[in-house]
Amino acid sequence: DTAVSQTPKYLVTQMGNDKSIKCEQNLGHDTMYWYKQDSKKFLKIMFSYNNKELIINETVPNRFSPKSPDKAHLNLHINSLELGDSAVYFCASSLRGGSEQFFGPGTRLTVL
Amino acid sequence: AQSVTQPDIHITVSEGASLELRCNYSYGATPYLFWYVQSPGQGLQLLLKYFSGDTLVQGIKGFEAEFKRSQSSFNLRKPSVHWSDAAEYFCAADTGTASKLTFGTGTRLQVTL
Repeated sequence: DTAVSQTPKYLVTQMGNDKSIKCEQNLGHDTMYWYKQDSKKFLKIMFSYNNKELIINETVPNRFSPKSPDKAHLNLHINSLELGDSAVYFCASSLRGGSEQFFGPGTRLTVL
Repeated sequence: AQSVTQPDIHITVSEGASLELRCNYSYGATPYLFWYVQSPGQGLQLLLKYFSGDTLVQGIKGFEAEFKRSQSSFNLRKPSVHWSDAAEYFCAADTGTASKLTFGTGTRLQVTL
């Protein structure tokens, strides 16, 4: 019974392609997040959604577009992938803003 | 600007020895504070959190952390480290309203047998 799940776990693609990462949580949480972890393990928030509404967009290029069809899902679509997009992307959820966040297993994206 | 600092990039301890990982924060008001652990190739698992009240908080896996307002610190401790504790440890903070975690740069813990 995975609390926060992401698919796929690994994603290898060519520069210029468009790809999506899916995230689902079965915790009944209202708030979901996307984080990027770079090659030096630094974690930085990208987006935050509360009840399907975007509340945080941390100066992420507009090639990245999150979509929340319902409050249990937050998908990340990336257009025109670049080498610098290679990273591990983590989805997380929390009951509300400011409460503890539960993380998914991560998606390792490699852009060739 | 709000920030979280973990001064130690890499720490090596012997199995059975005690451990302290340092974390300092820079916020206008006391934020909510968290420690997460990331094992190789895994996601992040919450070890413990501090919102208010007792400044010594207990977490999972035998970890504890002490909040010190005067030092703007939230250091993680464990009295006796096990080889399975080898991982990356992240301190994080949240204002409680901004709905985002600000992470430190992480401390890699290596445990020697």
